[in-house]
Amino acid sequence: GAGVSQTPSNKVTEKGKYVELRCDPISGHTALYWYRQSLGQGPEFLIYFQGTGAADDSGLPNDRFFAVRPEGSVSTLKIQRTERGDSAVYLCASSSGQVGSRAEAFFGQGTRLTVV
Amino acid sequence: AQSVTQPDIHITVSEGASLELRCNYSYGATPYLFWYVQSPGQGLQLLLKYFSGDTLVQGIKGFEAEFKRSQSSFNLRKPSVHWSDAAEYFCAVGARSNFGNEKLTFGTGTRLTIIP
Repeated sequence: GAGVSQTPSNKVTEKGKYVELRCDPISGHTALYWYRQSLGQGPEFLIYFQGTGAADDSGLPNDRFFAVRPEGSVSTLKIQRTERGDSAVYLCASSSGQVGSRAEAFFGQGTRLTVV
Repeated sequence: AQSVTQPDIHITVSEGASLELRCNYSYGATPYLFWYVQSPGQGLQLLLKYFSGDTLVQGIKGFEAEFKRSQSSFNLRKPSVHWSDAAEYFCAVGARSNFGNEKLTFGTGTRLTIIP
């Protein structure tokens, strides 16, 4: 597609439920990032994929958060046993850059997750 | 660890007036600096970036930023704002992680309001 696509745009879930957030990167982009933006804050890094592998997951807050990118394109961020503190906008970005490059990252519009 | 401070949470400017948004960073090595803009319901869009060389960087939409190492600053400027510039602006510093990826650390943002 023309840009990074994230679905759904909005998700409301009950505390304790499991959610999946999807990211379709720009075609051909090998690098994919997930960020989380809480209300009134800037985005915070969660995880980085180069191809199919999670090369850097140092930003995941705890083991309830997990992300996959099985075919090196679409990525899914999975959150188990959601808590109200997980409410935020989850942003995905992709870039054409290989490791060590400085290619621009293009951001999707985000998924607004609300845990009630 | 790197950090970014945007001291102004909210700025109001008259249309046609000049604009300066402040950004201070903390980073042990040569920083890679970015300004992004986020309009309501939109993803983050890169305005400009500084990697090296000329400390005055030109970006899209008539924006520019100046890197001042002695002040650890990277302020964003525009000589004459338009109503369409109303948005949230984020400064970010990029750091190469041990995994080779570019990890962005964002400030908390400055919300810009334009009045007629």
